[in-house]
Amino acid sequence: GESVGLHLPTLSVQEGDNSIINCAYSNSASDYFIWYKQESGKGPQFIIDIRSNMDKRQGQRVTVLLNKTVKHLSLQIAATQPGDSAVYFCAEIYNTDKLIFGTGTRLQVFP
Amino acid sequence: EAQVTQNPRYLITVTGKKLTVTCSQNMNHEYMSWYRQDPGLGLRQIYYSMNVEVTDKGDVPEGYKVSRKEKRNFPLILESPSPNQTSLYFCASSDSVAGAYNEQFFGPGTRLTVL
Repeated sequence: GESVGLHLPTLSVQEGDNSIINCAYSNSASDYFIWYKQESGKGPQFIIDIRSNMDKRQGQRVTVLLNKTVKHLSLQIAATQPGDSAVYFCAEIYNTDKLIFGTGTRLQVFP
Repeated sequence: EAQVTQNPRYLITVTGKKLTVTCSQNMNHEYMSWYRQDPGLGLRQIYYSMNVEVTDKGDVPEGYKVSRKEKRNFPLILESPSPNQTSLYFCASSDSVAGAYNEQFFGPGTRLTVL
């Protein structure tokens, strides 16, 4: 598959454990945030989003937390599965139509 | 099946030879965008389009052109490719007049190598 990044920060977790992927965003005026998942050889896939007027949002097995004070975003994956292995990107947007992506974190799930 | 398609998926070319990467979506989306992905840099936006005949520069537009003559198509044109444009390219679309303030659907990617 395509190499997304050879030197990405990597999080290794055991199957069944919870994963927490962190992201520091750059602009305090950012008002919308998204997490994307990218599997090897594929395009990014939407996971969950959150607006700046919220602190927390939950989806199926995933939770996004937003801390605007320290400009920090996190993605929590419950009961991590082998299929969760991928590169995860956070992205922010502020008053424009442009989405600014982070550099990504690789999640490795081992049995 | 709702999808974003890109062609070609792989392309090796030489410096200065004009090329076009096509992008098409069958979801009637207003917003479309092109990104390039490079190791250590994540995804960077090249151009985007809010609707037909409306295009705007992203963060790295130099060396690229786009057009949006039809709602479903958003081709990326490299008039005179250079080796620094060797990259993995993604097209994306979004069903929202709010543009990027919404989930974007990505194509499978085009691996371009410029020799």
